[in-house]
Order: sequence, then C-alpha cells, then structure tokens
Amino acid sequence: ETGVTQSPTHLIKTRGQQVTLRCSSQSGHNTVSWYQQALGQGPQFIFQYYREEENGRGNFPPRFSGLQFPNYSSELNVNALELDDSALYLCASSLPEQTEAFFGQGTRLTVV
Amino acid sequence: DQQVKQNSPSLSVQEGRISILNCDYTNSMFDYFLWYKKYPAEGPTFLISISSIKDKNEDGRFTVFLNKSAKHLSLHIVPSQPGDSAVYFCAASVGASGTYKYIFGTGTRLKVLA
Repeated sequence: ETGVTQSPTHLIKTRGQQVTLRCSSQSGHNTVSWYQQALGQGPQFIFQYYREEENGRGNFPPRFSGLQFPNYSSELNVNALELDDSALYLCASSLPEQTEAFFGQGTRLTVV
Repeated sequence: DQQVKQNSPSLSVQEGRISILNCDYTNSMFDYFLWYKKYPAEGPTFLISISSIKDKNEDGRFTVFLNKSAKHLSLHIVPSQPGDSAVYFCAASVGASGTYKYIFGTGTRLKVLA
C-alpha cells in the first residue's frame, strides 16, 4: 500500500477524444510525476509537478498536460487521443528530501 | 536512445538460489539508481536504491551493487523465493532531492521456480 491512488483503473476512449486521469497522493507529497508504460516497455517520464508547477517534461507532445492541486491530487490530460496513446499511465509521488517515489496502481487506457 | 538498459528480458531461477538482475547505463550524470518490482495489475513497488557515491547497498535479501567505471549495476536476491516472481525495473535519476525524475529500463521478468 503506497498511499497513491489512481482513477479510473481502466478506460476505453475513441481516437480523437480527450481524457483526464486522476491521482491522489499522500499528504505532504509535494512532487508528483506521471509516466506512460507501453506494453513490453519500461515507464517513460511524461512530466513532473513540484508545488503545483511543472518541473520538467519528457519527450511528449503538448497535448499531454497536467495539473497539481494544493490537496496533493493531480491530473493528467491528453487531448486528441491517438491509438499509440494506449498504455498504462502511472502516477508517482514523493516526499521532500526523499529519493524513492511511490507509484499508484496505474490507469490502463485503451484507445480504439 | 536508451540511457538505461536491461538486456535480459527474462530470468528463471530455482527457489533458494541467487537471482542476479543486471542493468547498464550510459549517462555518467545519474546520481541515484533504484530497483522497482512490478506485479501484474499493480504499480511498481520500490525495492532498494543506491547513491552514485556508494558501491553497495543491502536490505535483507536484496543487495544492489554499483560499478561506476563500467556504468553497471546489479540486483542480487538471496535466497530467491517464489513470491519474488515479478518484473524488475532498474531506474536512474538525476535531480534535486524531492524532484527526482526517473529513466527506466525495459525490465527483466524473474521467475522463481519452486
């Protein structure tokens, strides 16, 4: 039990649609990162939020965007969904001064 | 450009024996390395980490070794148990404390045979 919960656990969307994935972190975890894990691959860093501001972005287009809220929850938004966006999306949070991040169980997104 | 590589997609080990999982990296700026374990339908679970200033870190049955000159790290599990069967990811990070961003390898699926 990592204290990081994601919703929904599974989601099916149609190409071109928009999706919002949610993550709830433990109290005090002021850093949240989002990762995309395609089948057979390791998680790929999408972006990170630190104290509600974006703090680094991986190699993902602008249609991937996010928000972090004061209550330690966060969102990942993906616009104009493409078939290749089908993946497991993982949220990870960490405490200040802590190296290891704690992952949620992920949201499995399928784009058809 | 894969900065963190796990060249063995799978590994099978007998229960009670040692499991050795390997990881290579290319970026000498990485300052922290971590191992995560992942079961199906679950998120990755943190196992053990090592700072780039150390060459070994041990936690119970799990030991991570870091060879900076070879840009290589390994995870040893002794003794291996059937519950250790999972996918293991090596990750490297660089960043200020609390804002680490990870680069993951592609994972090694460990199967411990009873």
